[in-house]
Amino acid sequence: DAGVIQSPRHEVTEMGQEVTLRCKPISGHDYLFWYRQTMMRGLELLIYFNNNVPIDDSGMPEDRFSAKMPNASFSTLKIQPSEPRDSAVYFCASSETGGGSTGELFFGEGSRLTVL
Amino acid sequence: AQSVAQPEDQVNVAEGNPLTVKCTYSVSGNPYLFWYVQYPNRGLQFLLKYITGDNLVKGSYGFEAEFNKSQTSFHLKKPSALVSDSALYFCAVRDNGSSYKLIFGSGTRLLVRP
Repeated sequence: DAGVIQSPRHEVTEMGQEVTLRCKPISGHDYLFWYRQTMMRGLELLIYFNNNVPIDDSGMPEDRFSAKMPNASFSTLKIQPSEPRDSAVYFCASSETGGGSTGELFFGEGSRLTVL
Repeated sequence: AQSVAQPEDQVNVAEGNPLTVKCTYSVSGNPYLFWYVQYPNRGLQFLLKYITGDNLVKGSYGFEAEFNKSQTSFHLKKPSALVSDSALYFCAVRDNGSSYKLIFGSGTRLLVRP
């Protein structure tokens, strides 16, 4: 398996523009997580899905952020409009449950967002 | 609410010496504990986990971790450090059975000097 795939790896945009980050989880994994990493706040959980259904979005900073998972193999994190303080590395991770799994996460390589 | 603390921002050690990266946790119930490593410009990679059983857990790249329930700690160790071990290390906790989300510590930067 190719692992968790994220795109784009790097995104530079101007304040006010819409940003869409994409994630393809590992096939067969039923949980998908979006994390944000910054120097100041470390790793923050934004939202996670189970079987494509959002379970907990309490970490989403504000209404400018939205996430969807239309099917088991694809998720998006959208920021509209973007602001400079959104600059961070955004990670997608997936995990599987059942069958004795203990739920360790498998991370993608991240999408580095810079908002000017 | 469950939480995890990594008291050291950075740990410095000479190559060949043993290393310890500290982690303490707070959960209700039995904890599921994890260590991850992050190399520059990469995602986090799973190193090892404690679920139940032996308090000493062995993982990837020669790392091990010791679970101590009385001290609520899960310190990461390696008998002999390598320069290539230099990276950012994260401890994480999942409350047993309540959720599959992981709560991460703030991370500890390990610097192994030649």
